[in-house]
Amino acid sequence: DAKTTQPTSMDCAEGRAANLPCNHSTISGNEYVYWYRQIHSQGPQYIIHGLKNNETNEMASLIITEDRKSSTLILPHATLRDTAVYYCIVRVASGYNFNKFYFGSGTKLNVKP
Amino acid sequence: GAGVSQSPSNKVTEKGKDVELRCDPISGHTALYWYRQSLGQGLEFLIYFQGNSAPDKSGLPSDRFSAERTGGSVSTLTIQRTQQEDSAVYLCASSLIWDGDEKLFFGSGTQLSVL
Repeated sequence: DAKTTQPTSMDCAEGRAANLPCNHSTISGNEYVYWYRQIHSQGPQYIIHGLKNNETNEMASLIITEDRKSSTLILPHATLRDTAVYYCIVRVASGYNFNKFYFGSGTKLNVKP
Repeated sequence: GAGVSQSPSNKVTEKGKDVELRCDPISGHTALYWYRQSLGQGLEFLIYFQGNSAPDKSGLPSDRFSAERTGGSVSTLTIQRTQQEDSAVYLCASSLIWDGDEKLFFGSGTQLSVL
């Protein structure tokens, strides 16, 4: 039960913004949205997370819709090194201090020169 | 080291043999997760340890799979009587829950190949 839906793949031109969408229509009020990325042969790397407000850090911005049923990860100036699989994840609390992170199949982002 | 360490990085075994995969989490992290990733697929949750609490084993696919965490630190994932469908990358992650917030830090994984 992945809880998120993402496009299988996307292309982006180098230097342009990459906007990666994610649907999480069954998300509950206390469940966070996380984004990780996985470059070939490495473990997933944390990018950003949020609950309901938009978030920005040195890597990316996260835009969450008001109804929280979808979100968009924005890489403002994509580089070739941003080519990776991007996972949109819902973090579900399953008990006191117990969380489960549900990974979907991810979006393969291809950044092209 | 500062990150999550997994060993071995690659393991080739014959069908029917037992294997042990090791994870060294980041020092001080109380939570530890095991995931499995089959070729071209997303991550499948296996098991979760949090402090001294009983682990959440709900993701283990069969009773051939087990895991333990000694002293709240190092964890070992054991697969008995391996099958070809067990071939995958096994990823370990650790985290520290602080004020309800949590980030997972992943190791590079163990690539298991069952012949």
